[in-house]
Amino acid sequence: GAGVSQSPSNKVTEKGKDVELRCDPISGHTALYWYRQRLGQGLEFLIYFQGNSAPDKSGLPSDRFSAERTGESVSTLTIQRTQQEDSAVYLCASRMGGGGETQYFGPGTRLLVL
Amino acid sequence: EDQVTQSPEALRLQEGESSSLNCSYTVSGLRGLFWYRQDPGKGPEFLFTLYSAGEEKEKERLKATLTKKESFLHITAPKPEDSATYLCAVQESGGGADGLTFGKGTHLIIQP
Repeated sequence: GAGVSQSPSNKVTEKGKDVELRCDPISGHTALYWYRQRLGQGLEFLIYFQGNSAPDKSGLPSDRFSAERTGESVSTLTIQRTQQEDSAVYLCASRMGGGGETQYFGPGTRLLVL
Repeated sequence: EDQVTQSPEALRLQEGESSSLNCSYTVSGLRGLFWYRQDPGKGPEFLFTLYSAGEEKEKERLKATLTKKESFLHITAPKPEDSATYLCAVQESGGGADGLTFGKGTHLIIQP
């Protein structure tokens, strides 16, 4: 089926505004991840969802960042009161679960905070 | 302290000139090591997963190998379309975050 999709592909916002980023995982994938890729840096893990378990939020950089997932489908990453240092590409990945280890990535959302 | 270090940061090769990219890692226990390819403006594209020292995997002109301390991505007779950033990532075993820890990547340019 289709791969991981993300929207919007690009987002420009003003400092202090809130933004919501969306991820549609591969159908049937129970695990979903959010990563951040800042210019010149490696991908940074943000948050992980697995089925109906409590999410692993250990990578979220501040309490301005939050994420939700409805069952085993769509996830939204919300950044409140955006700062210029939040400018980055936000990538979503999904994994089959049940022993499947490979994470498959979406195209990302490029966020620019002015 | 970096857990995943990739070298070189950038590499320029002539078409047909074989070479290797290195990924050194430091983890208490390895659950898996992953190689991805990333083209400009796109998300990472999965290439290989390696689980234990001595394991090798091949795909077209690419071959990935794994030891207890590092992984190599060998590229044989590369073509211009192999130009991309190659990312290495590790997943630790024994609990903790399930997310991957990535290196900063090697930017590979293949000149015709």
